[in-house]
Amino acid sequence: LAKTTQPISMDSYEGQEVNITCSHNNIATNDYITWYQQFPSQGPRFIIQGYKTKVTNEVASLFIPADRKSSTLSLPRVSLSDTAVYYCLVGVFSSNTGKLIFGQGTTLQVKP
Amino acid sequence: EAGVTQSPTHLIKTRGQQATLRCSPISGHTSVYWYQQALGLGLQFLLWYDEGEERNRGNFPPRFSGRQFPNYSSELNVNALELEDSALYLCASSLAVRTSGRRDTQYFGPGTRLTVL
Repeated sequence: LAKTTQPISMDSYEGQEVNITCSHNNIATNDYITWYQQFPSQGPRFIIQGYKTKVTNEVASLFIPADRKSSTLSLPRVSLSDTAVYYCLVGVFSSNTGKLIFGQGTTLQVKP
Repeated sequence: EAGVTQSPTHLIKTRGQQATLRCSPISGHTSVYWYQQALGLGLQFLLWYDEGEERNRGNFPPRFSGRQFPNYSSELNVNALELEDSALYLCASSLAVRTSGRRDTQYFGPGTRLTVL
């Protein structure tokens, strides 16, 4: 699985747009990029997944440049409830491992 | 559509006892995964079951075991509990490996908080 690098922490204020960038220089041709959100003492929640260009859902947008060596999770108009850890994962589901490797993630703190 | 469910929410045991944790996957999902997340630490892969078979296990001792039932629900058993087994145990499910599409999307349950005294 490709190694990912993302900021350890970020601060924002309510109502602002937050962009979290993840670097994955060794991404393979058939790798997808997946983002999860985790609140304390809860299971990670799937946010968004993409392969190239831009993906948007009701929660977030995911921007992936042409070289796919990085990706940016965009959270529009964050609220206090968006304070959480955000994980970027890259990799194809491997039929002989089954495991997701979570890095340290980005701790987003939204302030009033 | 119901998500992944886990029971119990909390479990308190003493050292040396056995713990059994349960997981029901999303309807239609046949793969179930177990992860351990100790306080303040990252998720560590424990086990993967698919179609009733154990497909892979992480770097955990044999006293961590489990099974998957014909309805694809799963149990995680931890024998001879140790203090360091205290953690949040997370179950995730996904479509079968052979299913095309977003094969790497695992959906997580709320977790079981195991406390070993």
